[in-house]
Amino acid sequence: AQSVAQPEDQVNVAEGNPLTVKCTYSVSGNPYLFWYVQYPNRGLQFLLKYITGDNLVKGSYGFEAEFNKSQTSFHLKKPSALVSDSALYFCAAFGAGNMLTFGGGTRLMVKP
Amino acid sequence: NAGVMQNPRHLVRRRGQEARLRCSPMKGHSHVYWYRQLPEEGLKFMVYLQKENIIDESGMPKERFSAEFPKEGPSILRIQQVVRGDSAAYFCASSPIDRIGEQYFGPGTRLTVT
Repeated sequence: AQSVAQPEDQVNVAEGNPLTVKCTYSVSGNPYLFWYVQYPNRGLQFLLKYITGDNLVKGSYGFEAEFNKSQTSFHLKKPSALVSDSALYFCAAFGAGNMLTFGGGTRLMVKP
Repeated sequence: NAGVMQNPRHLVRRRGQEARLRCSPMKGHSHVYWYRQLPEEGLKFMVYLQKENIIDESGMPKERFSAEFPKEGPSILRIQQVVRGDSAAYFCASSPIDRIGEQYFGPGTRLTVT
């Protein structure tokens, strides 16, 4: 069975500093990996995906993610955090059964 | 192109009543997924449907829960005889046939069982 892990419940960064939200996965075959963001009382918004190709994937709002096959990781990154980036971030893997398996989520808090 | 629509946004039901949640996918999307999110938790897959066909319902509770996606009209998630533990946010997502895994989520329906 596939699984996605986000080891940090919360990440705190100061505005302007780089941020990293960690994600590791366990899937059979080639992984399709995704990051979503959820703002309070809202649905999930698609940020970016990795299907194949370059290991560094660029997405919305200046976010990017690095696929590392040897470490089975897909960490989300941004060079300079904004207060408005504060939200709940979910990593997900797409696999058997055409369903997304989500990690538990990481709350990002960006302080001014 | 309107996004995924869900209604109602908020639904309050007393224990034992029925809850019906509706989802209209994005135009051109033929795949619909339902997820449940408990407070402070991630999303859990419930069911995957195409028009008139349930593809995968491995995440659906065996009793009281059902889903459909008819030829015409929205997808419906139906919860019979609701209990307090059904209180959660229910999200619908849709995807196009040619972009596997890229799902677009609706705003969710927040169900409260009193």
